[in-house]
Amino acid sequence: QVQLVQSGAEVKKPGSSVKVSCKASGGTFSSYTISWVRQAPGQGLEWMGRIIPILGRANYAQKFQGRVTITADKSTSTAYMELSSLRSEDTAVYYCARSLFDILTGYEVHFFDYWGQGTLVTVSS
Amino acid sequence: EIVLTQSPVTLSLSPGERATLSCRASQSVSAYLAWYQQKPGQAPRLLIYDASNRATGIPARFSGSGSGTDFTLTISSLEPEDFAVYYCQQRSISALTFGGGTKVEIK
Repeated sequence: QVQLVQSGAEVKKPGSSVKVSCKASGGTFSSYTISWVRQAPGQGLEWMGRIIPILGRANYAQKFQGRVTITADKSTSTAYMELSSLRSEDTAVYYCARSLFDILTGYEVHFFDYWGQGTLVTVSS
Repeated sequence: EIVLTQSPVTLSLSPGERATLSCRASQSVSAYLAWYQQKPGQAPRLLIYDASNRATGIPARFSGSGSGTDFTLTISSLEPEDFAVYYCQQRSISALTFGGGTKVEIK
């Protein structure tokens, strides 16, 4: 079955960077996109950006432009999200999530059918 | 950016009652709206996609309706496991947004 398995919890200092991984299994990595969504404690869901692994093309939410980089390694079916210049407000659970993508038509579905288990990133001095 | 506004913020109901959750978009999203359920400590779970299609394995008591800017998620008869937070989500050409969520709590 399809699984997205994320890396473990991180504790970071303000001003540093964090890189979270999301390894996919049970599906064809070229058949979907991977988005990153975060959730601050007690808050709602916030989309950060996404990548189409087979094309290596990423786009980001305006709020995170210049501070987030999403990459993918097709050889290991793993996506990565790196967030820099961390501040306390970045303390959150970070999720990866999958959307189906058709390389032939370029069509991407508008929803997430599978999610990773989440990675808690704590930013504290 | 399209803003999704969910109402009410909290819905207090008893098991067996009907739950009606609303999601309003700041501009038309056609039928490209999804609903998710999230329980404490868990990742969101897809319930409904394209406004009215139930995802695989989702019970028939969950239904979605609407198009354009106004959408509704209905739970026909609440089961104990349905008490959770529900989010709507849309994706436009370049960005994706979630609503603020509705918490369905036990009355």
